[in-house]
Amino acid sequence: EPEVTQTPSHQVTQMGQEVILRCVPISNHLYFYWYRQILGQKVEFLVSFYNNEISEKSEIFDDQFSVERPDGSNFTLKIRSTKLEDSAMYFCASASTDTQYFGPGTRLTVL
Amino acid sequence: DAKTTQPPSMDCAEGRAANLPCNHSTISGNEYVYWYRQIHSQGPQYIIHGLKNNETNEMASLIITEDRKSSTLILPHATLRDTAVYYCIVRVANRDDKIIFGKGTRLHILP
Repeated sequence: EPEVTQTPSHQVTQMGQEVILRCVPISNHLYFYWYRQILGQKVEFLVSFYNNEISEKSEIFDDQFSVERPDGSNFTLKIRSTKLEDSAMYFCASASTDTQYFGPGTRLTVL
Repeated sequence: DAKTTQPPSMDCAEGRAANLPCNHSTISGNEYVYWYRQIHSQGPQYIIHGLKNNETNEMASLIITEDRKSSTLILPHATLRDTAVYYCIVRVANRDDKIIFGKGTRLHILP
């Protein structure tokens, strides 16, 4: 069964550094999303992406964040200058119809 | 904010049916009821969704009341691997539409 995959599974970085989180959506999906979950809190929507542009973004998704689909298979989330409060699980999701399928997540730890 | 109300936690004996309730009294005519679950900080896993008819798949059954103001997710023979947080979500079945997660129900399967 096709799955969304994410790399790395765990990323440790220093405050102020740039990180890129990578996702490979399910191959025939055209809609892509990033969510995050701070430890002990709800899963929160960050951004949705379709046809090479952002469809919607939340208040969390400020100028420090960007997304890109650099080729036909990858979907990336970049955090330009990480802050301590960016420490969280980051989940990628993709959809072809109305159901979103999530990847296993990347645990980002900012020191 | 989430448009649903779920009990914060429930217990179920292994091998028995787990019945997870959800209230969504303000649901609109074009909104579906979706269920996801999250096993210990893994990515949310899609379970099932429906509009007004009862639905069944290999994982679960979804029973929606006639007035659509509440629903029940049924795991017919719960196993220890079903221990997770279960999210009931009301949303328009639109590929662009973000998912708004609430706190869900933490289901404990007891051996």
